[in-house]
Amino acid sequence: EPEVTQTPSHQVTQMGQEVILRCVPISNHLYFYWYRQILGQKVEFLVSFYNNEISEKSEIFDDQFSVERPDGSNFTLKIRSTKLEDSAMYFCASSVETGTGELFFGEGSRLTVL
Amino acid sequence: TQLLEQSPQFLSIQEGENLTVYCNSSSVFSSLQWYRQEPGEGPVLLVTVVTGGEVKKLKRLTFQFGDARKDSSLHITAAQPGDTGLYLCAVNTGNQFYFGTGTSLTVIP
Repeated sequence: EPEVTQTPSHQVTQMGQEVILRCVPISNHLYFYWYRQILGQKVEFLVSFYNNEISEKSEIFDDQFSVERPDGSNFTLKIRSTKLEDSAMYFCASSVETGTGELFFGEGSRLTVL
Repeated sequence: TQLLEQSPQFLSIQEGENLTVYCNSSSVFSSLQWYRQEPGEGPVLLVTVVTGGEVKKLKRLTFQFGDARKDSSLHITAAQPGDTGLYLCAVNTGNQFYFGTGTSLTVIP
């Protein structure tokens, strides 16, 4: 069964360092998303991506964040200079369509900023 | 103010009991989804409801979309330990799927 894969599963970094989280969405999907979830809290939207550009981004997705789909398969989230409050589980998701389409999530990348 | 408020936030019940969790909003939606998230994993879609008043059943889970399409409920009959997880409602608001505050369910054997 097709699935969304994310790497790394866990990354520990020092405050101020750059982090790149990688995702391989399901191959025929057109819409891509990043969400984050701070431990025990709600799933928060970061950014959506369609047709090689950002469709929407939240207030969380400030200038320190960027997304890229460099080669037509990988979908990456970069945090340029990590802060302590960036510690969270980051989920990549993809869907064939928007609206009533199903979101397929990866297993997440846990980011710990020290 | 949250777009989607879920209640209760936490629920701990004994195996075999019934329960209902709620997802409420003051906004009207064309559709609403329910996801379940198990510890250490991403959310997985359970159901999408589209029509006001619609009821969908998935084994022991019954989902209802409010007549006015502002709210939804999830009822679980005879809960089992395997039902333990975080239940999330979600709506599409254009270019994103917005998730509710979540209900964390623990079913004790």
